[in-house]
Amino acid sequence: EAGVTQSPTHLIKTRGQQATLRCSPISGHTSVYWYQQALGLGLQFLLWYDEGEERNRGNFPPRFSGRQFPNYSSELNVNALELEDSALYLCASSSAVRIQEETQYFGPGTRLLVL
Amino acid sequence: AQSVTQLGSHVSVSEGALVLLRCNYSSSVPPYLFWYVQYPNQGLQLLLKYTSAATLVKGINGFEAEFKKSETSFHLTKPSAHMSDAAEYFCAVTPKTGANNLFFGTGTRLTVIP
Repeated sequence: EAGVTQSPTHLIKTRGQQATLRCSPISGHTSVYWYQQALGLGLQFLLWYDEGEERNRGNFPPRFSGRQFPNYSSELNVNALELEDSALYLCASSSAVRIQEETQYFGPGTRLLVL
Repeated sequence: AQSVTQLGSHVSVSEGALVLLRCNYSSSVPPYLFWYVQYPNQGLQLLLKYTSAATLVKGINGFEAEFKKSETSFHLTKPSAHMSDAAEYFCAVTPKTGANNLFFGTGTRLTVIP
């Protein structure tokens, strides 16, 4: 069974540009989560999508946005990139709305570098 | 608010020695607790999770953790370290009600000395 996949693996952008990161969940999983792992800041929750809707949002500005498609894949968009957006962006998926019923499985991440 | 503290950003042990990675949570109601491992240039892999069943949880690769409500702790242990255990370990929590997202600790980098 294929795991969570993310693309691209690396992305280099300049300040002010937009970045689009993609995630394909494990087959059968309907929930997708996005986390940011920035140097010195640890892993922070960004967004949670389930059944095509945004269910929860972390403490990030509105220029971080995303969506979930009918096939449950997801995109994370970061507008007006800033240097501090440089980080590893991790996507996770799960098959149930309540986490205790199913684990979050993580993809390998997209490393975003903003110059 | 949920939070988790991992004591020790770096831990070094000799191969074959006991591994002990500390995690304390802060919430009025015991949350669900998780340990994840991250190998270099990879995503996170679940080691084990506590979801209100047995307080001693056994995970993959010989790791286990014990939930202690009185100490608000969920420390990760392994009796004998192996070179392949070298990685970064993250403790995470999620509340039993409300949001599903994970709140992570800052991580502990484990080095295994031959």
